[in-house]
Amino acid sequence: SQQGEEDPQALSIQEGENATMNCSYKTSINNLQWYRQNSGRGLVHLILIRSNEREKHSGRLRVTLDTSKKSSSLLITASRAADTASYFCATDARTSGTYKYIFGTGTRLKVLA
Amino acid sequence: DAGITQSPRHKVTETGTPVTLRCHQTENHRYMYWYRQDPGHGLRLIHYSYGVKDTDKGEVSDGYSVSRSKTEDFLLTLESATSSQTSVYFCAIRGVSGTDSGANVLTFGAGSRLTVL
Repeated sequence: SQQGEEDPQALSIQEGENATMNCSYKTSINNLQWYRQNSGRGLVHLILIRSNEREKHSGRLRVTLDTSKKSSSLLITASRAADTASYFCATDARTSGTYKYIFGTGTRLKVLA
Repeated sequence: DAGITQSPRHKVTETGTPVTLRCHQTENHRYMYWYRQDPGHGLRLIHYSYGVKDTDKGEVSDGYSVSRSKTEDFLLTLESATSSQTSVYFCAIRGVSGTDSGANVLTFGAGSRLTVL
């Protein structure tokens, strides 16, 4: 399977704390993307990091990428109850001239008020 | 979800019956994808399309077929549904992000929940 893995599978923290989730992948990539899914909804794109970047910030989100280890991490700072959701990484790899997106297994984040 | 709709949103069917799920986009994107989501497995790619009549298999394509006869519609068919195909199915389109310097990202539909009895 090409599917990546994320850990932890589930994370429960208090409001105001930071949440860190990790993603490992298996193939060479053009970029790595993080998505969020609220319960019962479709996924929504959060942030993208290109293969030649090591770190990227967007608001309370910080993403790192280590292509030598085929891993990425997503940090959410000062978490809020509204951040409760599942978070997925996805790798964008061009194969045979077409683009496939392979998702990790996801991290369920619960932020307690 | 802007520009992409899935139908039906919910379906209950019997084992052995054919099922077709439809994904419709209004944004003229070339790439469309079908995923299934199951607990513990995240999203797994079933099939994808990179143009009209151009499709390819994903990780879990057995038991599924797709068709794309026009840009806006991507159909997923289960020829003979089995209980193992009970899942939530998501369609996605690949388009330019408004926030990531023109990089291509996925926009998802709201999902189709399929139960096979």
